[in-house]
Amino acid sequence: KAGVTQTPRYLIKTRGQQVTLSCSPISGHRSVSWYQQTPGQGLQFLFEYFSETQRNKGNFPGRFSGRQFSNSRSEMNVSTLELGDSALYLCASSLNQGGDTQYFGPGTRLTVL
Amino acid sequence: ELKVEQNPLFLSMQEGKNYTIYCNYSTTSDRLYWYRQDPGKSLESLFVLLSNGAVKQEGRLMASLDTKARLSTLHITAAVHDLSATYFCAVDIRNRDDKIIFGKGTRLHILP
Repeated sequence: KAGVTQTPRYLIKTRGQQVTLSCSPISGHRSVSWYQQTPGQGLQFLFEYFSETQRNKGNFPGRFSGRQFSNSRSEMNVSTLELGDSALYLCASSLNQGGDTQYFGPGTRLTVL
Repeated sequence: ELKVEQNPLFLSMQEGKNYTIYCNYSTTSDRLYWYRQDPGKSLESLFVLLSNGAVKQEGRLMASLDTKARLSTLHITAAVHDLSATYFCAVDIRNRDDKIIFGKGTRLHILP
Protein backbone atom coordinates (compact mmCIF):
# COMPACT_ATOMS: atom_id res chain seq x y z
CA LYS A 1 0.00 0.00 0.00
CA ALA A 2 1.24 3.46 -0.81
CA GLY A 3 1.82 5.69 2.17
CA VAL A 4 0.55 9.17 2.86
CA THR A 5 1.74 11.64 0.26
CA GLN A 6 2.00 15.38 0.60
CA THR A 7 2.60 17.95 -2.09
CA PRO A 8 4.50 20.07 -2.52
CA ARG A 9 7.39 19.01 -0.30
CA TYR A 10 8.93 22.46 -0.18
CA LEU A 11 7.41 25.87 -0.75
CA ILE A 12 8.65 29.44 -0.52
CA LYS A 13 6.13 32.25 -0.34
CA THR A 14 6.14 35.92 0.63
CA ARG A 15 4.09 37.64 3.28
CA GLY A 16 0.52 38.33 2.28
CA GLN A 17 0.32 35.50 -0.23
CA GLN A 18 -1.81 32.45 0.20
CA VAL A 19 -0.86 28.79 -0.07
CA THR A 20 -2.60 25.46 -0.57
CA LEU A 21 -1.09 22.20 0.62
CA SER A 22 -2.34 18.81 -0.43
CA CYS A 23 -2.48 15.46 1.34
CA SER A 24 -3.42 12.08 -0.11
CA PRO A 25 -4.16 9.51 2.61
CA ILE A 26 -3.54 5.81 2.55
CA SER A 27 -6.16 4.05 0.46
CA GLY A 28 -9.20 3.24 2.59
CA HIS A 29 -8.38 5.75 5.30
CA ARG A 30 -11.19 8.19 5.92
CA SER A 31 -9.68 10.50 8.54
CA VAL A 32 -7.08 13.13 7.77
CA SER A 33 -5.46 15.38 10.36
CA TRP A 34 -3.10 18.30 9.92
CA TYR A 35 -0.35 19.49 12.26
CA GLN A 36 2.09 22.37 12.31
CA GLN A 37 5.61 22.01 13.66
CA THR A 38 7.84 24.97 14.43
CA PRO A 39 10.99 25.29 16.55
CA GLY A 40 9.27 27.81 18.83
CA GLN A 41 5.80 26.36 19.32
CA GLY A 42 6.57 22.71 18.72
CA LEU A 43 3.88 20.43 17.38
CA GLN A 44 0.36 21.83 17.21
CA PHE A 45 -2.88 20.24 16.04
CA LEU A 46 -4.55 22.15 13.23
CA PHE A 47 -7.66 20.22 12.27
CA GLU A 48 -9.16 16.84 11.52
CA TYR A 49 -11.45 15.83 8.68
CA PHE A 50 -13.59 12.76 8.45
CA SER A 51 -16.08 11.96 5.71
CA GLU A 52 -15.62 15.40 4.15
CA THR A 53 -16.50 17.18 7.40
CA GLN A 54 -14.23 19.10 9.71
CA ARG A 55 -14.54 17.32 13.04
CA ASN A 56 -12.10 19.27 15.13
CA LYS A 57 -10.12 22.46 14.79
CA GLY A 58 -7.21 23.51 16.95
CA ASN A 59 -6.49 26.98 18.20
CA PHE A 60 -5.51 28.64 14.93
CA PRO A 61 -6.85 31.81 13.32
CA GLY A 62 -9.39 31.74 10.54
CA ARG A 63 -6.61 32.23 7.98
CA PHE A 64 -6.06 28.49 8.32
CA SER A 65 -8.71 26.43 6.62
CA GLY A 66 -9.08 23.09 4.98
CA ARG A 67 -11.34 20.68 3.28
CA GLN A 68 -11.67 17.02 2.45
CA PHE A 69 -12.89 15.56 -0.78
CA SER A 70 -15.03 12.50 -1.39
CA ASN A 71 -11.91 10.41 -2.09
CA SER A 72 -10.57 11.45 1.36
CA ARG A 73 -7.84 13.61 -0.11
CA SER A 74 -7.44 16.80 1.87
CA GLU A 75 -6.16 20.28 1.30
CA MET A 76 -5.27 22.99 3.75
CA ASN A 77 -5.12 26.64 2.87
CA VAL A 78 -3.37 29.48 4.60
CA SER A 79 -4.31 32.97 3.50
CA THR A 80 -2.48 36.24 4.09
CA LEU A 81 0.73 34.49 5.05
CA GLU A 82 2.78 35.78 7.97
CA LEU A 83 6.43 35.13 8.76
CA GLY A 84 5.33 33.01 11.72
CA ASP A 85 3.55 30.59 9.40
CA SER A 86 6.93 29.22 8.32
CA ALA A 87 6.79 25.65 9.51
CA LEU A 88 6.71 21.98 8.66
CA TYR A 89 3.10 21.01 7.94
CA LEU A 90 2.34 17.37 8.57
CA CYS A 91 -0.64 15.42 7.41
CA ALA A 92 -1.69 12.12 8.94
CA SER A 93 -4.33 9.62 7.94
CA SER A 94 -6.13 6.92 9.88
CA LEU A 95 -8.89 4.45 9.16
CA ASN A 96 -11.41 6.22 11.35
CA GLN A 97 -11.48 9.25 13.59
CA GLY A 98 -10.66 8.99 17.25
CA GLY A 99 -7.94 6.80 18.62
CA ASP A 100 -6.80 4.91 15.52
CA THR A 101 -3.12 4.76 14.68
CA GLN A 102 -2.11 7.66 12.49
CA TYR A 103 0.23 7.37 9.54
CA PHE A 104 2.13 10.51 8.69
CA GLY A 105 3.20 11.93 5.37
CA PRO A 106 6.68 13.36 4.81
CA GLY A 107 5.49 16.91 5.41
CA THR A 108 5.54 20.18 3.49
CA ARG A 109 8.22 22.65 4.50
CA LEU A 110 6.78 26.16 4.08
CA THR A 111 9.05 29.19 4.23
CA VAL A 112 7.49 32.64 4.31
CA LEU A 113 9.82 35.51 3.40
CA GLU B 1 -3.94 26.09 31.35
CA LEU B 2 -3.62 22.69 29.74
CA LYS B 3 -0.05 21.42 29.94
CA VAL B 4 1.74 18.33 28.74
CA GLU B 5 5.16 18.03 30.27
CA GLN B 6 7.79 15.56 29.21
CA ASN B 7 10.92 14.83 31.13
CA PRO B 8 13.68 14.67 30.58
CA LEU B 9 13.85 16.89 27.51
CA PHE B 10 17.25 15.52 26.63
CA LEU B 11 18.71 12.17 27.49
CA SER B 12 22.08 10.74 26.62
CA MET B 13 22.54 7.13 27.56
CA GLN B 14 24.76 4.17 26.92
CA GLU B 15 23.73 1.23 24.81
CA GLY B 16 22.40 -1.64 26.88
CA LYS B 17 20.95 0.57 29.63
CA ASN B 18 17.31 0.98 30.61
CA TYR B 19 15.55 4.27 30.99
CA THR B 20 12.11 5.84 31.25
CA ILE B 21 10.64 8.97 29.69
CA TYR B 22 7.77 10.56 31.59
CA CYS B 23 4.76 12.42 30.24
CA ASN B 24 2.61 14.32 32.74
CA TYR B 25 -0.54 16.15 31.75
CA SER B 26 -2.85 18.54 33.54
CA THR B 27 -6.35 17.53 32.38
CA THR B 28 -8.42 14.39 32.32
CA SER B 29 -7.97 12.26 29.25
CA ASP B 30 -7.98 8.58 28.48
CA ARG B 31 -6.28 8.90 25.12
CA LEU B 32 -2.56 9.36 24.81
CA TYR B 33 -0.17 8.82 21.94
CA TRP B 34 3.57 8.37 21.61
CA TYR B 35 5.45 9.33 18.46
CA ARG B 36 9.00 9.11 17.24
CA GLN B 37 10.72 11.66 15.01
CA ASP B 38 14.13 11.24 13.41
CA PRO B 39 16.08 14.41 12.52
CA GLY B 40 14.64 16.09 9.45
CA LYS B 41 11.91 13.48 9.13
CA SER B 42 8.20 13.20 9.75
CA LEU B 43 6.48 11.60 12.73
CA GLU B 44 6.02 7.90 13.25
CA SER B 45 3.25 6.60 15.50
CA LEU B 46 4.56 4.29 18.19
CA PHE B 47 1.70 3.65 20.60
CA VAL B 48 -1.96 4.48 21.05
CA LEU B 49 -3.10 4.20 24.68
CA LEU B 50 -6.86 4.38 25.10
CA SER B 51 -7.66 3.45 28.67
CA ASN B 52 -6.40 3.57 32.22
CA GLY B 53 -3.85 0.87 32.81
CA ALA B 54 -3.14 0.37 29.12
CA VAL B 55 0.27 -1.10 28.44
CA LYS B 56 1.72 -1.67 25.00
CA GLN B 57 5.07 -3.03 23.94
CA GLU B 58 6.96 -3.08 20.68
CA GLY B 59 10.49 -4.39 20.68
CA ARG B 60 12.55 -2.55 23.28
CA LEU B 61 9.88 0.08 23.91
CA MET B 62 6.99 -0.20 26.32
CA ALA B 63 4.38 2.47 27.01
CA SER B 64 1.87 2.70 29.82
CA LEU B 65 -0.94 5.01 30.85
CA ASP B 66 -2.21 5.91 34.32
CA THR B 67 -5.15 8.24 33.81
CA LYS B 68 -5.70 8.78 37.51
CA ALA B 69 -2.15 10.04 37.96
CA ARG B 70 -2.31 11.77 34.55
CA LEU B 71 0.95 10.09 33.69
CA SER B 72 2.29 8.05 30.83
CA THR B 73 5.69 6.44 30.63
CA LEU B 74 7.80 5.23 27.74
CA HIS B 75 10.31 2.66 28.94
CA ILE B 76 13.37 1.73 26.95
CA THR B 77 14.95 -1.64 27.64
CA ALA B 78 18.56 -2.40 26.72
CA ALA B 79 18.85 0.64 24.48
CA VAL B 80 20.46 0.36 21.06
CA HIS B 81 21.83 3.17 18.89
CA ASP B 82 18.93 2.86 16.41
CA LEU B 83 16.55 4.17 19.06
CA SER B 84 18.21 7.58 18.98
CA ALA B 85 15.44 10.02 18.03
CA THR B 86 13.06 12.57 19.53
CA TYR B 87 10.02 11.09 21.26
CA PHE B 88 6.78 13.01 21.71
CA CYS B 89 3.74 12.25 23.78
CA ALA B 90 0.38 13.80 22.92
CA VAL B 91 -2.83 14.03 24.93
CA ASP B 92 -6.08 13.80 22.99
CA ILE B 93 -9.07 15.79 24.25
CA ARG B 94 -10.75 16.28 20.89
CA ASN B 95 -13.98 14.82 22.23
CA ARG B 96 -14.53 17.84 24.46
CA ASP B 97 -12.11 20.61 23.55
CA ASP B 98 -10.98 20.18 19.94
CA LYS B 99 -7.40 19.70 20.99
CA ILE B 100 -4.48 17.35 20.81
CA ILE B 101 -1.69 18.75 22.96
CA PHE B 102 1.89 17.66 22.40
CA GLY B 103 4.75 17.58 24.83
CA LYS B 104 7.94 19.37 23.86
CA GLY B 105 9.65 16.10 23.03
CA THR B 106 12.50 14.15 24.55
CA ARG B 107 15.66 14.06 22.47
CA LEU B 108 17.23 10.68 23.08
CA HIS B 109 20.86 10.11 22.18
CA ILE B 110 22.19 6.60 22.64
CA LEU B 111 25.93 6.25 22.68
CA PRO B 112 27.42 3.15 21.07
